[in-house]
Amino acid sequence: QQQVKQSPQSLIVQKGGISIINCAYENTAFDYFPWYQQFPGKGPALLIAIRPDVSEKKEGRFTISFNKSAKQFSLHIMDSQPGDSATYFCAASIGFYNQGGKLIFGQGTELSVKP
Amino acid sequence: GAVVSQHPSRVICKSGTSVKIECRSLDFQATTMFWYRQFPKQSLMLMATSNEGSKATYEQGVEKDKFLINHASLTLSTLTVTSAHPEDSSFYICSAHRLGGAYEKLFFGSGTQLSVL
Repeated sequence: QQQVKQSPQSLIVQKGGISIINCAYENTAFDYFPWYQQFPGKGPALLIAIRPDVSEKKEGRFTISFNKSAKQFSLHIMDSQPGDSATYFCAASIGFYNQGGKLIFGQGTELSVKP
Repeated sequence: GAVVSQHPSRVICKSGTSVKIECRSLDFQATTMFWYRQFPKQSLMLMATSNEGSKATYEQGVEKDKFLINHASLTLSTLTVTSAHPEDSSFYICSAHRLGGAYEKLFFGSGTQLSVL
């Protein structure tokens, strides 16, 4: 119940295309859903995050779509660029803001954007 | 933005030695810090949660005597891998949960690549 399942494992997209990564969860107590970007040999960096009372959040080229009833959320990267090539992780947390920030990570998606 | 400094970035050691990794929040206080382990092309696995001034909470399957965690202040946590063996070779990442603040509260270090020969 504490798992977050992420797909696909890898993704190849042409420059300018849309990259879509999906995550699903079981535990309805999760109340914070961030997406992280990680480059090789580096720590993850927060891209965008959403709370379950919102169905969509957009920041620049990055959009999270959240479906509470289906217990799914996804990351859309519009106008994908070669510089977006990295590994992306979804995550979920219970009581993130008040209880310290423990995250459960998805398995990761290796995105490659071809020029 | 807030910065978490992790040191060293890379360490190579002989089997049987101990290695200490430092995680510092440079411009904010962190009530809680987390230690993760990541194998190549895999996800981040939470090893332990440390709170300033108290004992760390270890995840199931993580040996507390092997991975010693000290959270001495609101800006510093250390992970010591004791009697390291080749199977301990991995990428270790810390994160710090900022006390106060608004939107972004969790910040990650840049990781430490440990290679045990």
